[in-house]
Amino acid sequence: QVQLMESGPGLVQPSETLSLTCTVSGFSLTSYNVHWVRQPPGKGLEWMGVMWSGGSTDYNSALKSRLSISRDTSKNQVFLKMNSLQSEDTTTYYCARDKGGGNFDYWGQGVMVTVSS
Amino acid sequence: DIQMTQSPASLSASLGETVSIECLASEDIYSNLAWYQQKPGKSPQLLIYYASSLQDGVPSRFSGSESGTQYSLEINSLQPEDEGDYFCQQSYKFPPTFGAGTKLELK
Repeated sequence: QVQLMESGPGLVQPSETLSLTCTVSGFSLTSYNVHWVRQPPGKGLEWMGVMWSGGSTDYNSALKSRLSISRDTSKNQVFLKMNSLQSEDTTTYYCARDKGGGNFDYWGQGVMVTVSS
Repeated sequence: DIQMTQSPASLSASLGETVSIECLASEDIYSNLAWYQQKPGKSPQLLIYYASSLQDGVPSRFSGSESGTQYSLEINSLQPEDEGDYFCQQSYKFPPTFGAGTKLELK
């Protein structure tokens, strides 16, 4: 069945780089787009970026200068890297599959990242 | 970016009641609107896409409609498991944007 699972450090130092991995199963990264979405505690959802099935990427313009998304199709993994982390980047990060048309039908369980020294 | 104005911010209703949540788009999004439910500590789940299409496995008491740039999620015959947060999301233009959310509590 379709599954996505985020992994990464729970704590990152300010100004450091965050590296997260989204490992997927039950579908092919070359057939579906995978998005990254984040959610501060008790707040709404913010779209971060997308790895298109064809291998290209798009980013939220507010994060574009700090954000990079890549993938390894042989390992069924999508990677997120974001540099210069600050306290406002303390949030839960999700990866989500796009069933088509930008509708996210499967989500990972999320990984909570705290930016603190 | 397209702004999604969601209302109400919170809602309290009784079992068996019918409730409605609204999202107003800042411009025409041509039915490219999805609704998600999120329970505490869990990831969002897709309920409705393309404004009124029910996602597989979602109970039929959930329905979506639209009128111009106003989109609505209606939940009929409220059940205990319907408690949670609800978000709308437009996918017509990049970047995808979400409403601020509605917290639904059962009395």
